[in-house]
Amino acid sequence: GQNIDQPTEMTATEGAIVQINCTYQTSGFNGLFWYQQHAGEAPTFLSYNVLDGLEEKGRFSSFLSRSKGYSYLLLKELQMKDSASYLCAVRPQGSRGGGADGLTFGKGTHLIIQP
Amino acid sequence: NAGVTQTPKFRVLKTGQSMTLLCAQDMNHEYMYWYRQDPGMGLRLIHYSVGEGTTAKGEVPDGYNVSRLKKQNFLLGLESAAPSQTSVYFCASSYFPRGRTYEQYFGPGTRLTVT
Repeated sequence: GQNIDQPTEMTATEGAIVQINCTYQTSGFNGLFWYQQHAGEAPTFLSYNVLDGLEEKGRFSSFLSRSKGYSYLLLKELQMKDSASYLCAVRPQGSRGGGADGLTFGKGTHLIIQP
Repeated sequence: NAGVTQTPKFRVLKTGQSMTLLCAQDMNHEYMYWYRQDPGMGLRLIHYSVGEGTTAKGEVPDGYNVSRLKKQNFLLGLESAAPSQTSVYFCASSYFPRGRTYEQYFGPGTRLTVT
């Protein structure tokens, strides 16, 4: 089975740094994704980790530890527009290979940015 | 490029009615997916397709059927709608080039209410 856990809600201050954690237990692993979703909109891709370590992309960084089943998304220099839900998703090892079997999502973390 | 588009954006159905949701992508992607998103549940995979003429069941396929007659289109059908199918439906597409991430591109969503 698949289980992905992330906090339901977090609050942070504009200009600060926030870390959103994600833990997973899946029957296989073929990569971990982070998506951003503003209210009423579609999810948009932020980052992808398949090997252990840190991936940095501008103000956003994502970390993966496969042995611990753990990832985090780090947001720096927070802006009001960063208020959104952040979705952690795992691609399990698909029967077809190549990752065709879709993603398993956590319930999302609603991030509130305060002035 | 329009990316991934979905039709309609909103719909209200009565219990027992049928309807088809249309997803179209102009990125020549091989893989397409249907998810539903409910409050507190996260995104869940309904059905997916790895190519024209092929479909497969996801996590929550009951009550839905799909077809992929053309590469660019993926249709989701509800034969007899039930209130439990009230949700926001997202279509996504992806491809798997070598050395690239496998992110899924999401459409804007269809908000369906079944009364």
